[in-house]
Amino acid sequence: KAGVTQTPRYLIKTRGQQVTLSCSPISGHRSVSWYQQTPGQGLQFLFEYFSETQRNKGNFPGRFSGRQFSNSRSEMNVSTLELGDSALYLCASSPGDRAFSGNTIYFGEGSWLTVV
Amino acid sequence: AQSVTQPDIHITVSEGASLELRCNYSYGATPYLFWYVQSPGQGLQLLLKYFSGDTLVQGIKGFEAEFKRSQSSFNLRKPSVHWSDAAEYFCAVGALPNTGFQKLVFGTGTRLLVSP
Repeated sequence: KAGVTQTPRYLIKTRGQQVTLSCSPISGHRSVSWYQQTPGQGLQFLFEYFSETQRNKGNFPGRFSGRQFSNSRSEMNVSTLELGDSALYLCASSPGDRAFSGNTIYFGEGSWLTVV
Repeated sequence: AQSVTQPDIHITVSEGASLELRCNYSYGATPYLFWYVQSPGQGLQLLLKYFSGDTLVQGIKGFEAEFKRSQSSFNLRKPSVHWSDAAEYFCAVGALPNTGFQKLVFGTGTRLLVSP
């Protein structure tokens, strides 16, 4: 079974630009969540999607957004990039269904974003 | 609110020696607990998880962890460390609300160095 796939792995953007990151979850998983990892703030939850609906959102500004498609693939977008947005963005997938008590969350390799 | 404390930022262990990484959590209900490992430039790999039942859980790569409710701890152990275990280790706690989703709250991580 293929794992969580994230693209692109590395990218460099300029301040003020926008960026879109993509995530394909494990087959059969309907929940996709996103985390930001930085040296200063550690791992922080961004948002989670289930069946194309955002169910939960972390404490990030509105410049951070996402969506999920009918095939469970997800994208996140950051607009008006700031230097502080430089981070590793991790996507995670899980079954997400309440019938699965104790969902295990699996992570992708991440997308490294550098803002210059 | 949930929180996780990993009191050791760095730990150095000799190859072949035993290892214990500490993790304390704060959560009002029965926690779902995880240990992840991250090698440089990589995503998070799940080592083991605790949802319920036996408080001593076995994971991959010879790791185990013990859940102690009275101490709010979930320490990770390995009897004999290999040089390939050098990485950063993250403890995380997840709540499972009725939606079926878990938002993971991570500790700040412990970097493990293995000396020859």
